[in-house]
Amino acid sequence: AQSVAQPEDQVNVAEGNPLTVKCTYSVSGNPYLFWYVQYPNRGLQFLLKYITGDNLVKGSYGFEAEFNKSQTSFHLKKPSALVSDSALYFCAVRDRDTNAGKSTFGDGTTLTVKP
Amino acid sequence: KAGVTQTPRYLIKTRGQQVTLSCSPISGHRSVSWYQQTPGQGLQFLFEYFSETQRNKGNFPGRFSGRQFSNSRSEMNVSTLELGDSALYLCASSFRSGSINEQFFGPGTRLTVL
Repeated sequence: AQSVAQPEDQVNVAEGNPLTVKCTYSVSGNPYLFWYVQYPNRGLQFLLKYITGDNLVKGSYGFEAEFNKSQTSFHLKKPSALVSDSALYFCAVRDRDTNAGKSTFGDGTTLTVKP
Repeated sequence: KAGVTQTPRYLIKTRGQQVTLSCSPISGHRSVSWYQQTPGQGLQFLFEYFSETQRNKGNFPGRFSGRQFSNSRSEMNVSTLELGDSALYLCASSFRSGSINEQFFGPGTRLTVL
């Protein structure tokens, strides 16, 4: 069984400040981890993924995420937030060992960046 | 390259009816997954198809079914609609099945059951 927890429903930051959106996961095997973003009335857009190797993963739009195996976390970060980053963010996990196509998503975190 | 397309974008049905939703994946993508998104339950996995075969299935009743055609296009069907089936149904495609591949999502079909 696999699960994802996004402990914060809402994150508010001021434009120009760094942002962090938290994610912890549980998977029986080794994880593949993903971040997606959803804008209103749109589908999800892929931001970045962790497969193996360097624990710091860089993705689209200046976002990055840090994989921490001991804490089973994969927090999304950005050094300087933009108002246009305001959206709903989802963390997702897949079990590498089963090679299954099923993604388990967190409940999402609404990021609001204020000017 | 065109993205994932879903039709129709909006649908209104009444309880007891059935509905068919369609998804065309990105050209060259052979894996199609379906998700249900609701405010209360979040994103829930319905099923995944690859090369016309169902590879994975989520915990939904048998009223929810799907299929994939030889051109990778996929349809999902919901029979005997219930009020609780009102949701945004998202289709996602990836190059092939397997956990390493990120998914590309369509805009969704908003189903309202009255």
